[in-house]
Amino acid sequence: KAGVTQTPRYLIKTRGQQVTLSCSPISGHRSVSWYQQTPGQGLQFLFEYFSETQRNKGNFPGRFSGRQFSNSRSEMNVSTLELGDSALYLCASSSRTGTGFGYTFGSGTRLTVV
Amino acid sequence: AQSVTQLDSQVPVFEEAPVELRCNYSSSVSVYLFWYVQYPNQGLQLLLKYLSGSTLVKSINGFEAEFNKSQTSFHLRKPSVHISDTAEYFCAVSGPSGTYKYIFGTGTRLKVLA
Repeated sequence: KAGVTQTPRYLIKTRGQQVTLSCSPISGHRSVSWYQQTPGQGLQFLFEYFSETQRNKGNFPGRFSGRQFSNSRSEMNVSTLELGDSALYLCASSSRTGTGFGYTFGSGTRLTVV
Repeated sequence: AQSVTQLDSQVPVFEEAPVELRCNYSSSVSVYLFWYVQYPNQGLQLLLKYLSGSTLVKSINGFEAEFNKSQTSFHLRKPSVHISDTAEYFCAVSGPSGTYKYIFGTGTRLKVLA
């Protein structure tokens, strides 16, 4: 059974550019969440989607956006990149709604903004 | 607001020695509790979780954690560690009902020494 797949694994962008990260959840999983991991702030919740609906968004500026497609694949977009957006972006999926069932995380996309 | 505190940022321990990684949480409502492990250049893997019932939960690789409601703690223990246990360990609580997110601690880097 394939795990959560995130592409690309590594990305280098310049300040002011925009970037799109992709996440393919485990087959059959309909809930997809995104987290940002940095040495200073740790793991911070970005957003959660279920059946193409964003159910919650973390405390991030509007430059961070996401969406989920009908096949449960998800993308997140960051516009007007800043140096502070350099981070490991983790996607996680779950077969059930609610956090009690646990999420399976992908290996992440490491974004470096220069 | 809910929060998670992992007091130890780094824990060095010799191989075959016991280890305890501490986790305290703050919440005014019932929560689900989790331990995740992150190996270098990888995503997070669910180690174990407490939802309800027995306060002692165990993983398949010898880790265990005990939920202590009065002390609001969920410490992770292993009686004998291996070199392969070297990783970063994150404690997490489920966010308030309907938020579909985790609140993570800052992580504890376990380094097992030969």
